[in-house]
Amino acid sequence: DAKTTQPPSMDCAEGRAANLPCNHSTISGNEYVYWYRQIHSQGPQYIIHGLKNNETNEMASLIITEDRKSSTLILPHATLRDTAVYYCIVRAVNQAGTALIFGKGTTLSVSS
Amino acid sequence: GAVVSQHPSRVICKSGTSVKIECRSLDFQATTMFWYRQFPKKSLMLMATSNEGSKATYEQGVEKDKFLINHASLTLSTLTVTSAHPEDSSFYICSARDSRQGWPADTQYFGPGTRLTVL
Repeated sequence: DAKTTQPPSMDCAEGRAANLPCNHSTISGNEYVYWYRQIHSQGPQYIIHGLKNNETNEMASLIITEDRKSSTLILPHATLRDTAVYYCIVRAVNQAGTALIFGKGTTLSVSS
Repeated sequence: GAVVSQHPSRVICKSGTSVKIECRSLDFQATTMFWYRQFPKKSLMLMATSNEGSKATYEQGVEKDKFLINHASLTLSTLTVTSAHPEDSSFYICSARDSRQGWPADTQYFGPGTRLTVL
């Protein structure tokens, strides 16, 4: 799987958009980008995933650059409950059934 | 949405005893489940992959005789920490692969975790 690079920490004001970047410059054509988050002392929570098109669901939007070498997770209106560690993970489609491997992620702190 | 439960959520035991942790997929069948361990302020570390009806596959450095994994049904996997010692104290998290969506979009869903403290 391609390696991802995320900033170790970010701050965001409550009500503002949180934009979390992820670099995956060695991504292959058959690799998806997944985002999960982990709130303190809980199991990780699935947020969104995509291949090359931008994706949006009730939780967030995922913007993938045209060359697919980086992506941004957008939480449109951050709340205090969005404070968590956010993980960007890349995994190949032919590895369905294999485990997600977690890096260090980005600790997002949302404050009022 | 897919829900994965774990039991117990928290356990304290004496050194030398064995502890069993259950992981259940509540509203879907999971042919594959995964077990992770997480130390304070660290990321999740994969311990093993569990496939229903077959032996688990352990990651390098994980003692299979110490961490016994059983995946006897499509909704239940168990992790037994045998002869636990204080260094086994950790946050154990399971996940289950929801294969209903179909490859390649299958997603892993995680349980809430079990905090094990060995005295």
